[in-house]
Amino acid sequence: AQKVTQTQTSISVVEKTTVTMDCVYETRDSSYFLFWYKQTASGEIVFLIRQDSYKKENATVGHYSLNFQKPKSSIGLIITATQIEDSAVYFCAMREGSSGSWQLIFGSGTQLTVMP
Amino acid sequence: GPKVLQIPSHQIIDMGQMVTLNCDPVSNHLYFYWYKQILGQQMEFLVNFYNGKVMEKSKLFKDQFSVERPDGSYFTLKIQPTALEDSAVYFCASSLGWGRETLYFGSGTRLTVL
Repeated sequence: AQKVTQTQTSISVVEKTTVTMDCVYETRDSSYFLFWYKQTASGEIVFLIRQDSYKKENATVGHYSLNFQKPKSSIGLIITATQIEDSAVYFCAMREGSSGSWQLIFGSGTQLTVMP
Repeated sequence: GPKVLQIPSHQIIDMGQMVTLNCDPVSNHLYFYWYKQILGQQMEFLVNFYNGKVMEKSKLFKDQFSVERPDGSYFTLKIQPTALEDSAVYFCASSLGWGRETLYFGSGTRLTVL
């Protein structure tokens, strides 16, 4: 069964710095897709970035990038030049590609606080 | 990004009553989902729906739960009868496809069962 684990409950950083949030996953599927979402204070869930398991190159979108370490089943989210408005809960999620399951399974989330 | 609309944003009902949560998915999306989030916790998968059928459901999707999307209108989650433990925020999502296709979420319906 697939599983996603985020061990960091909360992180605080000063704005304009770089932060990394950890995520490890478990799957038996050879093909899978990894997603990061953020949930704002209002509850809105926003898609940020995706990594396909068969791609070696780390995905990058704006000031979000991923550190994909397949042998360690790890997909870290890196936010550079953090801003106050990046404060949110960040969820890692995984979806298998060939098992027949369409479920997007979420981790427990990491609360990021960006301070001035 | 694509918008999923959920109506209402907040619903308060008495235990034992029926409730229907409505979702207007992204117009060209074909796959629909419901997730449940209890305050401060992760989002948990309830059910996914495609081509008029439930494709997968979790243990959280109790017999009192049902979903449908009649004639391409709202994708609905009905709970009948409700229980206290059904109090949570319910998120609807939709996607164009499966696999690598991104799920887009609505802003949630906060359900309070008294």
